[in-house]
Amino acid sequence: KNQVEQSPQSLIILEGKNCTLQCNYTVSPFSNLRWYKQDTGRGPVSLTIMTFSENTKSNGRYTATLDADTKQSSLHITASQLSDSASYICVVRALTGGGNKLTFGTGTQLKVEL
Amino acid sequence: DTGVSQDPRHKITKRGQNVTFRCDPISEHNRLYWYRQTLGQGPEFLTYFQNEAQLEKSRLLSDRFSAERPKGSFSTLEIQRTEQGDSAMYLCASSKQGANEQFFGPGTRLTVL
Repeated sequence: KNQVEQSPQSLIILEGKNCTLQCNYTVSPFSNLRWYKQDTGRGPVSLTIMTFSENTKSNGRYTATLDADTKQSSLHITASQLSDSASYICVVRALTGGGNKLTFGTGTQLKVEL
Repeated sequence: DTGVSQDPRHKITKRGQNVTFRCDPISEHNRLYWYRQTLGQGPEFLTYFQNEAQLEKSRLLSDRFSAERPKGSFSTLEIQRTEQGDSAMYLCASSKQGANEQFFGPGTRLTVL
């Protein structure tokens, strides 16, 4: 069964600090991996997307890494801001599976405090 | 704002009532997806359309749930005889056929009392 596991489940950091969120997956065959940011009460918004051949991708203060051999990804947030407080969801797309190709993680709830 | 809109944003209803949600996808996107998300969980796939055709339904979509996309543009999701367990965020997403990314709407938060 395709699965995506994220850690930690929740995280509190001080404004200005860096943090790293982890994602392990068992989705096969692999197509791509995306990180989404979901503010409370809102829909997810894409941050990065990586295919098998990409091992790092940045979007401003967000940098995602992918190790397709170990099936692990991380999302690093640099110089955190209060507006980074949100749930960060790792989503893995399979090559097959009809319309339901996406497997979602349960998210890491990040809170940035003063 | 991703360009996908949903209405209403919030719905409170009593158990046993019927509710209907609407999703307007990005205009050139021919694929439309419905997901359900409960607190602290990731979205769970419910169903998807390619143009007006409903191509796949999850086993989560009981016979009380029905979705339509009559003209291949907006879609509606109806829940009949709502139960407290239906309380969740209902998310709509759209994409172009063959594209890697789905764009999500803001969701409709349903509370069944």
